[in-house]
Amino acid sequence: GAVVSQHPSRVICKSGTSVKIECRSLDFQATTMFWYRQFPKQSLMLMATSNEGSKATYEQGVEKDKFLINHASLTLSTLTVTSAHPEDSSFYICSARELTRDYGYTFGSGTRLTVV
Amino acid sequence: TQLLEQSPQFLSIQEGENLTVYCNSSSVFSSLQWYRQEPGEGPVLLVTVVTGGEVKKLKRLTFQFGDARKDSSLHITAAQPGDTGLYLCAGGTGTASKLTFGTGTRLQVTL
Repeated sequence: GAVVSQHPSRVICKSGTSVKIECRSLDFQATTMFWYRQFPKQSLMLMATSNEGSKATYEQGVEKDKFLINHASLTLSTLTVTSAHPEDSSFYICSARELTRDYGYTFGSGTRLTVV
Repeated sequence: TQLLEQSPQFLSIQEGENLTVYCNSSSVFSSLQWYRQEPGEGPVLLVTVVTGGEVKKLKRLTFQFGDARKDSSLHITAAQPGDTGLYLCAGGTGTASKLTFGTGTRLQVTL
């Protein structure tokens, strides 16, 4: 089955630094990937849609300059949290859509970001 | 903005009991997916329903999509501790569209 690898699974960084999270589709190509944020005991909130070879589409209220998304290939999208602050601490999850399957969304295992 | 409200928000039951989780919206969706998520992990797809009135069964889990494609339900028969987790419904408006996630139902099944 389709597998999406997300790395790192956990990261602790100092306030003011930047952190990059990678999302890879291992056995399929994904022209579209999605980035979500999840606060404790809450549901997933879509942050942005990442399109291969073009600019990401951000949801309302999400700062595009703070959450930089790059989707340079059909198997890799990255989310960079720039100048991180403690309020950016959260669980970030990516998903990729498999082209050959309708409704075929596969999720990564998530990245727990803690900003200290 | 499309919203998906799930009820109940939290459910604690004993092994062997039955339960139903509801997912409601005022918007029409072309597809409705159900996921289960465990702590520290990404959501795992359980089922996709696309036709109004559709019913799908997955062992002890029964999923139904409302006739108007605005709501869905998940029924678990004879719950087991392994069913514990966060259940999320998610609606889509096309085969390649972004998903709108429901508010989530946290289920705890005890011995």
